[in-house]
Amino acid sequence: GEDVEQSLFLSVREGDSSVINCTYTDSSSTYLYWYKQEPGAGLQLLTYIFSNMDMKQDQRLTVLLNKKDKHLSLRIADTQTGDSAIYFCAESSTKLTFGTGTQLKVEL
Amino acid sequence: EAGVAQSPRYKIIEKRQSVAFWCNPISGHATLYWYQQILGQGPKLLIQFQNNGVVDDSQLPKDRFSAERLKGVDSTLKIQPAKLEDSAVYLCASSSGLAGVSRYEQYFGPGTRLTVT
Repeated sequence: GEDVEQSLFLSVREGDSSVINCTYTDSSSTYLYWYKQEPGAGLQLLTYIFSNMDMKQDQRLTVLLNKKDKHLSLRIADTQTGDSAIYFCAESSTKLTFGTGTQLKVEL
Repeated sequence: EAGVAQSPRYKIIEKRQSVAFWCNPISGHATLYWYQQILGQGPKLLIQFQNNGVVDDSQLPKDRFSAERLKGVDSTLKIQPAKLEDSAVYLCASSSGLAGVSRYEQYFGPGTRLTVT
C-alpha cells in the first residue's frame, strides 16, 4: 500500500530557508501536494506538483520532485514566524495519502 | 465563498457512548470526504462521497462507524459505540472535482476534536 514518510521536526531561524523532505512509495501518484496545518485549524493547500515535473516555484515556495527516488521537498525562502505550523506532504493516485507531518518551528 | 463548516468543534464522551459529527461542504462541491487525524499523524481517509453515493469506504470501521450524505449536500458521521482509540480530530473536506480525479483541490473544515474517556 501507499506510505508517505516525513521527518517529525524542523527548527530554523527567521529569515533562513527551510527545507522539508518527504518520501513516498506509490509510483502511480499523479499529483503530490504540500499542506499546512496551523493549531486548531484544518489543512490548507500550499502548492502541488504534477508527477511529470521536477520543480515548481510559487513565490517563496519551491517544490522539488525526484520521481526516480520518490523524494519530494518543500523549500520556504525567507522563513517567517507565521510559517510556524505542521506541514504535510500527500500523494494521490485516486485518493490522498498523507505523511506524518513535519512541525516547523521558526525562532527569532 | 464560505468554507467547509463542521460542528461541533469539540466533543467529550465516555467509551461505549454514541456521537455524531456534521459537515456542510462548500456550495456546489460534489465530492465530500471524512478523515480521521490521530494526534501526531496525518489525516487518514475514512469515507468519500460523490454527490450522495459512496465512492470509497474501504478504511471505515463499519462495525461502529457510519456516514451518510442523503441529499448530496450535508453529511453526518456517526460512531456507535465509541472506543478509546477513536479519540482524534475528524476532518471533513470537499472538492469540486469528481471523486478519484486527483487534480482537484480539497478544502478542509476546522475539524471536530473528539475525546473518548
